[in-house]
Amino acid sequence: KNEVEQSPQNLTAQEGEFITINCSYSVGISALHWLQQHPGGGIVSLFMLSSGKKKHGRLIATINIQEKHSSLHITASHPRDSAVYICAVYNNNDMRFGAGTRLTVKP
Amino acid sequence: DADVTQTPRNRITKTGKRIMLECSQTKGHDRMYWYRQDPGLGLRLIYYSFDVKDINKGEISDGYSVSRQAQAKFSLSLESAIPNQTALYFCATSDLSANTGELFFGEGSRLTVL
Repeated sequence: KNEVEQSPQNLTAQEGEFITINCSYSVGISALHWLQQHPGGGIVSLFMLSSGKKKHGRLIATINIQEKHSSLHITASHPRDSAVYICAVYNNNDMRFGAGTRLTVKP
Repeated sequence: DADVTQTPRNRITKTGKRIMLECSQTKGHDRMYWYRQDPGLGLRLIYYSFDVKDINKGEISDGYSVSRQAQAKFSLSLESAIPNQTALYFCATSDLSANTGELFFGEGSRLTVL
């Protein structure tokens, strides 16, 4: 079993829909990261969380440390949100990555 | 210009050839990493370096070598490329003092071994 599991693997939505991507992990962490990878390949950091909730524009990330679970929400989704979203967990100089969720938002 | 630059961005080569992927950064970070990405799998760590001349093996180092001759540069070599090394390779940096794990990625180098 992978240490970081994401669901779903693939997600197709219509423009305007509310999106949720989930991440569960089985190891102790000091921080959890959400990353975005666009079709061109580059990876950028969206959020870093150690507790609670963070919001940036239409993106919201939450984490429940006790349940070892995090969610990434996108409100009012747009075709430009189409990308692969990657969850990664960090502890003691070690980063472990989920396999990613491929999101396609159709106009 | 990008803070973390990888060259080449795309490379097609043949089995048995030696390949070098280069990474340079302007962020002034001490830590540099090479990752490999395959479809359906998470990023996997090949090698990492916390300082000049410091080299550490990651999860999948077999068949690869690295060099860190300067703080800003970290190169990955495939001494004799094989088809299952076909993948997307990423260089990344992080700030030692921040200790948050936040990584800054290059744009990726797509390698195809025929």
